[in-house]
Amino acid sequence: GQNIDQPTEMTATEGAIVQINCTYQTSGFNGLFWYQQHAGEAPTFLSYNVLDGLEEKGRFSSFLSRSKGYSYLLLKELQMKDSASYLCAVSHAGAGSYQLTFGKGTKLSVIP
Amino acid sequence: EAQVTQNPRYLITVTGKKLTVTCSQNMNHEYMSWYRQDPGLGLRQIYYSMNVEVTDKGDVPEGYKVSRKEKRNFPLILESPSPNQTSLYFCASSFWGQRGGTDTQYFGPGTRLTVL
Repeated sequence: GQNIDQPTEMTATEGAIVQINCTYQTSGFNGLFWYQQHAGEAPTFLSYNVLDGLEEKGRFSSFLSRSKGYSYLLLKELQMKDSASYLCAVSHAGAGSYQLTFGKGTKLSVIP
Repeated sequence: EAQVTQNPRYLITVTGKKLTVTCSQNMNHEYMSWYRQDPGLGLRQIYYSMNVEVTDKGDVPEGYKVSRKEKRNFPLILESPSPNQTSLYFCASSFWGQRGGTDTQYFGPGTRLTVL
């Protein structure tokens, strides 16, 4: 089966940098996604890594190491509106199946 | 506007009364999927479809049915709902990714279902 782990909760200060880690064990790995989800709303796409290395997009960066089964999402210059849950998701395929499995999410609280 | 729509947004029903939650996308996506989200369990995939007339089970398919007769629509059917199906449901769609897996998923607004 697929297993994705990420911390349940984190707290960080406005203006600071925070790193949210995600580890996974999966077969048929096709890529790793990060989504942001505000309470009561739908998830929205943040980043996608399919090869090892760092992908940067404005204040958000995501890193992937396929050999270690590890990814992180880096949020810089934190703003109050960044308070949300951050979901790590792995795309995987095998025996004709093509699925997306999510971690349980990390609830980030940004404090003044 | 490119979007995924779901209806209804909120539904309260009783055990055993068949219901359908509709999902429609206007982005010509091949891949569509249903998820349920429960506190402490995260998003779990119920069923997915890789194209018209092609559907497959996700991680928690028991008690649900789906169909994909048209590319844009992917309804979720609960033939005999039970209280343990009370949850927040999301429909999502995407193109195929470059490596054959799913590409970026676009989510509908969610349907909050309560089964009494």
